[in-house]
Amino acid sequence: AQSVTQLDSQVPVFEEAPVELRCNYSSSVSVYLFWYVQYPNQGLQLLLKYLSGSTLVESINGFEAEFNKSQTSFHLRKPSVHISDTAEYFCAVKGEGFQKLVFGTGTRLLVSP
Amino acid sequence: NAGVTQTPKFRILKIGQSMTLQCTQDMNHNYMYWYRQDPGMGLKLIYYSVGAGITDKGEVPNGYNVSRSTTEDFPLRLELAAPSQTSVYFCASSQDFGGADTQYFGPGTRLTVL
Repeated sequence: AQSVTQLDSQVPVFEEAPVELRCNYSSSVSVYLFWYVQYPNQGLQLLLKYLSGSTLVESINGFEAEFNKSQTSFHLRKPSVHISDTAEYFCAVKGEGFQKLVFGTGTRLLVSP
Repeated sequence: NAGVTQTPKFRILKIGQSMTLQCTQDMNHNYMYWYRQDPGMGLKLIYYSVGAGITDKGEVPNGYNVSRSTTEDFPLRLELAAPSQTSVYFCASSQDFGGADTQYFGPGTRLTVL
């Protein structure tokens, strides 16, 4: 079975500062990794995902995440955040084959001016 | 495409009442899911369906029932509401189950049981 750990429940940061949201996973099989974002009072939407190949994946709004197999991590980064990035971010993992998507507990990113 | 739609947006129930949370998707997805989201707990899978007429339990199915008579609809039924079922409920759908297929989420239903 797979599991996901997001150690930071909340990350406060000032606008235009860099941010890293941490995600570690455990699995006995090869995995696919996801970051979903939930803006206030909305459902989750996919931010980016790692399938295979290049370990660095990027989203259209400036976020990136790097798959590190040796450290079983998939941390999310952005070099300069905006107020509009304020949201809750969920890391999720799925094993190969007929496996369910398993979510972490989420990290609330709070961007202030 | 409207994507995944859920009704109602909010509901308050008394203990012991029943209700159905509606979920509809217009993407012709085979797979549909119900999750509940509790503060600090992430999302927990309640039930899922791999196609019309086929459903299966997720991680936290107790107190809930589902049916899937059409590809588009996947209602979630609470028969005897309990305070422990106070949560935000999300429906989602995907084209595939295996692999890295994206799940598309509805806007959620916020349920309070008093």
